[in-house]
Amino acid sequence: EAGVAQSPRYKIIEKRQSVAFWCNPISGHATLYWYQQILGQGPKLLIQFQNNGVVDDSQLPKDRFSAERLKGVDSTLKIQPAKLEDSAVYLCATYPQRETYEQYFGPGTRLTVT
Amino acid sequence: AQSVTQPDIHITVSEGASLELRCNYSYGATPYLFWYVQSPGQGLQLLLKYFSGDTLVQGIKGFEAEFKRSQSSFNLRKPSVHWSDAAEYFCAVGAPLREKLTFGTGTRLTIIP
Repeated sequence: EAGVAQSPRYKIIEKRQSVAFWCNPISGHATLYWYQQILGQGPKLLIQFQNNGVVDDSQLPKDRFSAERLKGVDSTLKIQPAKLEDSAVYLCATYPQRETYEQYFGPGTRLTVT
Repeated sequence: AQSVTQPDIHITVSEGASLELRCNYSYGATPYLFWYVQSPGQGLQLLLKYFSGDTLVQGIKGFEAEFKRSQSSFNLRKPSVHWSDAAEYFCAVGAPLREKLTFGTGTRLTIIP
């Protein structure tokens, strides 16, 4: 089966600009996660969707970050305006409905804010 | 709250030597435990997972891990490493039925000839 797709793979922006990331999950995977991975750290959960509803966004900085998952398939994560500390890899992961507890990760988008 | 500690930031091992990467977790009950590997520019790939039963679990690429409840540990091992094992390794803990993972800070593995 095709894996989790993410685009773009790399993005460089200046602070105070906006940026958007896109994730296309594995077909049939109802649960979708966005993680932020800062250099030298493990992934940190930003938001979790179940189909097109938000399950957990407690770690999402809502003053600047937003995410949506229209029609329960593709998802976008937006940052507006970006700060220097947002430089990180943004990972999308999906999870099937069956209880395997294995999350499938995309390759990530590396964001550099200058 | 659940948490994971990976005490080794960077480990260097000779090719063909054995490997052990440490992971300690904090969770109030029996957790779900995972080891993921991340190669440069790639997403995370699951190596193995523990839910219950046999405390020694086998994974892909010749890796295994042992769950020790008394030590709150889930260390990853491989008897003989290959140059292609050079990567970042992450231990993660999940709460049953919660479908959320908490990751450690990772251990970077370097293989020398």
